[in-house]
Amino acid sequence: QLQLQESGPGLVKPSETLSLTCTVSGGSISSKDYYWGWIRQPPGKGLECFGSIYYRGTTFYNPSLKSRVTISVDTSKNQFSLKLSSVTAADTAVYYCARRHKDGGAYDIWGQGTMVTVSS
Amino acid sequence: DIVMTQTPLSSPVTLGQPASISCRSSQSLVHSDGNTYLSWLQQRPGQPPRLLIYKISNRFSGVPDRFSGSGAGTDFTLNISRVEAEDVGIYYCMQATQFPHDTFGQGTRLEIK
Repeated sequence: QLQLQESGPGLVKPSETLSLTCTVSGGSISSKDYYWGWIRQPPGKGLECFGSIYYRGTTFYNPSLKSRVTISVDTSKNQFSLKLSSVTAADTAVYYCARRHKDGGAYDIWGQGTMVTVSS
Repeated sequence: DIVMTQTPLSSPVTLGQPASISCRSSQSLVHSDGNTYLSWLQQRPGQPPRLLIYKISNRFSGVPDRFSGSGAGTDFTLNISRVEAEDVGIYYCMQATQFPHDTFGQGTRLEIK
């Protein structure tokens, strides 16, 4: 069955760039039926979407975060990635990658999440 | 931005009894394509969110039939017909009508009395 796994540094310094990768296993990222997205959850708080990418590279960013976010895809590795620039302590959160069904408009498969702390 | 407001924020329920969570959006979630992209997710303690319902009332694969969704326009409801111990967690509604600016409700904590 399809699984997603986030990877990347657990600690990032303020003003630097946070970089995470999501590896898709048990299925292909090159599916015409899905987008691949990033969502975060600050400690004890709710969920916030960064945006999604289609396997062909088309990106869809949340306007609220667009200026600092880059999402990319590498179909040869079955991976997609998130870069968030100029981080501050407010970016401390659990970061999830998830599959988004194009027609259903919902995130149907999620990774386990990875905790990223922004601190010097 | 479409703001999603859930009530109640906390819901103590007796095992075997029904539970209901409401979600209201700040504007209609009917998309220009005629669909309403409202979903419900469950987050058990220490786990990632799990999709329960999409497009108001469609149960995702493997979701027990005690979970059901209803509503239209700006008002939506998640119902659990008979609460089980494994249903403890936080429930979120999410709108995807304004994709890519998907937004979530603040969450409703379901706990057992």
